[in-house]
Amino acid sequence: DAGVIQSPRHEVTEMGQEVTLRCKPISGHDYLFWYRQTMMRGLELLIYFNNNVPIDDSGMPEDRFSAKMPNASFSTLKIQPSEPRDSAVYFCASSSPSGENPYNEQFFGPGTRLTVL
Amino acid sequence: DAKTTQPTSMDCAEGRAANLPCNHSTISGNEYVYWYRQIHSQGPQYIIHGLKNNETNEMASLIITEDRKSSTLILPHATLRDTAVYYCIVRALYNFNKFYFGSGTKLNVKP
Repeated sequence: DAGVIQSPRHEVTEMGQEVTLRCKPISGHDYLFWYRQTMMRGLELLIYFNNNVPIDDSGMPEDRFSAKMPNASFSTLKIQPSEPRDSAVYFCASSSPSGENPYNEQFFGPGTRLTVL
Repeated sequence: DAKTTQPTSMDCAEGRAANLPCNHSTISGNEYVYWYRQIHSQGPQYIIHGLKNNETNEMASLIITEDRKSSTLILPHATLRDTAVYYCIVRALYNFNKFYFGSGTKLNVKP
């Protein structure tokens, strides 16, 4: 298995631009998570999905952030408009509690390093 | 969910056992102890978890005290590739939104 795939790996954009981060979870996993990591705040859960349905988005910082999961193999995290304080590494993770891993081990992707100028 | 306390950093000689402590004095009866690590510039990686019994897998051992207020992650023979930030996390089994990573312990394995 290729693991969790994220794209792009690096993104540099200017303030006010729209940014879209992409994630492909491990095949068969029915939970998908989006995290943000900064030096100041550490690793924070933004939102998670179960069977493509958003379950908890209480970690999404504000309305500029939105996430979708149109099917079991693809999810996006969009920031519109982007601001310099959004600069961070964004991780996607997936898990499958009902399968071989009943204890919710999460498999993380390599992350997208976002820089907003 | 219970919060955890870990030392900021630790050093370990290559080939020796690395013992990483974690305090979780407010842990509840239904909360598990999870350990993850993050090697520089990579996503976090699951290591091991436990409820109250000691656990061992191919990566590490987890020792949980009888009162469950603290635990120790043991890497039996640390290598340079084990240099990473190690996170101790406490949460109930299906509380995904309570997966607090905290600041972790930076383990430096030295030759």
